[in-house]
Parts: sequence; structure tokens; C-alpha cells
Amino acid sequence: SQQGEEDPQALSIQEGENATMNCSYKTSINNLQWYRQNSGRGLVHLILIRSNEREKHSGRLRVTLDTSKKSSSLLITASRAADTASYFCATCGSGDKLTFGTGTRLAVRP
Amino acid sequence: DAGVIQSPRHEVTEMGQEVTLRCKPISGHNSLFWYRQTMMRGLELLIYFNNNVPIDDSGMPEDRFSAKMPNASFSTLKIQPSEPRDSAVYFCASTPESTEAFFGQGTRLTVV
Repeated sequence: SQQGEEDPQALSIQEGENATMNCSYKTSINNLQWYRQNSGRGLVHLILIRSNEREKHSGRLRVTLDTSKKSSSLLITASRAADTASYFCATCGSGDKLTFGTGTRLAVRP
Repeated sequence: DAGVIQSPRHEVTEMGQEVTLRCKPISGHNSLFWYRQTMMRGLELLIYFNNNVPIDDSGMPEDRFSAKMPNASFSTLKIQPSEPRDSAVYFCASTPESTEAFFGQGTRLTVV
């Protein structure tokens, strides 16, 4: 089963532009995480935001969390061709259950 | 640490055969997850363990699937008998408590 729904499903932008991806979920969470997956590879953790946090930054990444709306967004600023990948949100709920969303495929054109 | 290690990386088997996927989590991590990824269904959580105990197996598709974690350093996911619709990439991941998960490289299973 999947906890999160992400939109858009696919996003194509020019290098240097910002990319925003959104994630909605259904149940209460301890934290929300974002992961990146390059084609044919395992997922790599990007950033974690706890349920009592509203915003977090890491390098060119900015994550927001709105627990009242059960939604989160990931912003990648000044995108690069190397950012091309699929991005997933994951909710960590009771008992450390980690459930992933449907993912957004990001293509950054050089 | 070498990270989460999965084997085999690729498996091609005939319908009806038993398939066993293996995972070695990162030492000291207390949770282990098995996921299946397909184009149609995305990344599905099959089962997860906490301190070697299965906590939630509601994602296991049917009785043909079983998973074990006999100790903190090893887990298996078994499919018996396998079917073509089981073809997917299977990922194992481990995590310390409520923090980031570390994924293996996955096992690409093809059932013909």
C-alpha cells in the first residue's frame, strides 16, 4: 500500500530553474522523508523533517511540512542536469513503518 | 560499513520455481524493510521487521510470499511458487530508529 500521493507525476525544467514537488499523505506521522532514485538504482535519502517542524533546508533543498493539510513539498533550487531522477516522499508512522509515495520523475534539460 | 547488501542482483527463473532473495542490513540498525517496485504499482512495502520481529506484513501479496529474519544480520524473502506477475525489483532497506533508511541496490527478478 502507498501512503503518499505526489504531484506532478513528471516534471521537465531547464537547468537553473527551480523544481517543486508536492506530497500528500493520509495518516499521522512521526516524520516525513524525501528520497531520490536514479534509474536502476536504490533510493538515497535526501532530507528528513519531523512532525513538529515546518521547514528544513539542506544545501539546494528546501522542504516544508503542513501537518494540518497532511502535505509536504520539496523545492530544489538552481537545478542541474545531474538532478535528473525520481523523487519520493516517505512517511514514517507508528512503529517506524516507512511508506513511500508514488514519486515524481524530474528531468532537467541542460 | 559496506551498506545494505542484497543478493542476487539479478535472478531469472521459470514460473513455479522457488526464489529466495537475501539481505544483509547495516550493523546496528534495528528495522529492516522489504519493498517491491514495478512501473504499475510503484514502491510497495511488503513487510518490515523491528529487532528481528515481523511487525507488519499486510503488504505481502499472498501466501506464496514469506519473509524471515533469523538474526540481526540477515533476512530472506521467499516466493514459492513464483509467477510471471512477481517480476519486479525487490529492495531491502534498514534504518536506525525513526530516521533515514539505507537501501540496497535491489534484486531484479524476472519470472518467465
